Amino acid sequence: NAGVTQTPKFRVLKTGQSMTLLCAQDMNHEYMYWYRQDPGMGLRLIHYSVGEGTTAKGEVPDGYNVSRLKKQNFLLGLESAAPSQTSVYFCATLQGTEAFFGQGTRLTVV
Amino acid sequence: DQQVKQNSPSLSVQEGRISILNCDYTNSMFDYFLWYKKYPAEGPTFLISISSIKDKNEDGRFTVFLNKSAKHLSLHIVPSQPGDSAVYFCAANNQGAQKLVFGQGTRLTINP
Repeated sequence: NAGVTQTPKFRVLKTGQSMTLLCAQDMNHEYMYWYRQDPGMGLRLIHYSVGEGTTAKGEVPDGYNVSRLKKQNFLLGLESAAPSQTSVYFCATLQGTEAFFGQGTRLTVV
Repeated sequence: DQQVKQNSPSLSVQEGRISILNCDYTNSMFDYFLWYKKYPAEGPTFLISISSIKDKNEDGRFTVFLNKSAKHLSLHIVPSQPGDSAVYFCAANNQGAQKLVFGQGTRLTINP
């Protein structure tokens, strides 16, 4: 039982490149979230999904897109990466009132 | 606009003493509060929670206190142990919205 798995764990991108971060969960949870963690800023919500086929904007959605085509997967896309998107990205699921997190993806945009 | 605030970026405590981490919130619609612990290179893990209908919840060495009138909660760890050294995040949830909002985090260091 893997819980929440994020792929990749590390990535370096050049400015303007695109990439997709994958979050996969095997807990059958409806709610899934993408956060970014930056020093002094805590965990800020980028986008979230309340079920298969749904997505919604969080606090800092600009520059990101998401898709939830299957219940177990939540994809975060960067169409044209910028240095300001250098961060650690966490995916999470929510069951009741408790969130379960993946191990994070460290992304550097140069 | 930061709805959940942890105003202390860091805290250093002697081993065996009490650690008190504080958190303030502004949204009166929040009805559930949680604390998460995060070690380097790992995702946050759930530590303890409290519903807005309670003012205290205890789990072993960890106790969370909620003061709704002040919109303030605190996490007490006693006695503090070296393994407690980590970043602690306070989070709040409006169960109708199902959207966890986190504070900035407090880095706790337990000194031997």
